[in-house]
Amino acid sequence: SQTIHQWPATLVQPVGSPLSLECTVEGTSNPNLYWYRQAAGRGLQLLFYSVGIGQISSEVPQNLSASRPQDRQFILSSKKLLLSDSGFYLCAWSPDRRSNYGYTFGSGTRLTVV
Amino acid sequence: SQELEQSPQSLIVQEGKNLTINCTSSKTLYGLYWYKQKYGEGLIFLMMLQKGGEEKSHEKITAKLDEKKQQSSLHITASQPSHAGIYLCGADRGVSGNRDDKIIFGKGTRLHILP
Repeated sequence: SQTIHQWPATLVQPVGSPLSLECTVEGTSNPNLYWYRQAAGRGLQLLFYSVGIGQISSEVPQNLSASRPQDRQFILSSKKLLLSDSGFYLCAWSPDRRSNYGYTFGSGTRLTVV
Repeated sequence: SQELEQSPQSLIVQEGKNLTINCTSSKTLYGLYWYKQKYGEGLIFLMMLQKGGEEKSHEKITAKLDEKKQQSSLHITASQPSHAGIYLCGADRGVSGNRDDKIIFGKGTRLHILP
């Protein structure tokens, strides 16, 4: 069966520090991968998605970036965090041919920038 | 671009009572998803609706998509404490019905169940 892992679960980082969040999927190949951010009052916002290794599409201009170095690995990064980067980050995957089950989400990372 | 509006934003219900959450789209919905999120956790898939007038049920939760495919409702019968959480509707973003497009989400409805 397929599983998605996301870590760390919680992170407190100072303003200006770098960020690296990792997401991995097991039990499937060539998944579509997504990074979402959930911030208070703003709902769930799509940040990046990837349909293959090295293929990244950005949805929202920001100081975050994403990379997909391996088929089932998706990384969210920042060189210098801003206070506005605080939020709950969720990784998700779907088969390359969408099923009727939408996306499967990871358990999320709570990021607090101080 | 397509937007999803959920109402109400927050709901407090006595245990055992019924409740309804609505999701309205500015454009035709080609795929409508309902998810549940427990506070501080990931999203759990509940149901997916695709056809106008479609209705699906899982245990005490029923979701419907209207004939015009621009509004969906989620109905919980005889609510229980386990139903508490955030309910989010999501929709395929593609206006052409392309199932490979991304899912956009509403802001969610926070449901509290009073014992």
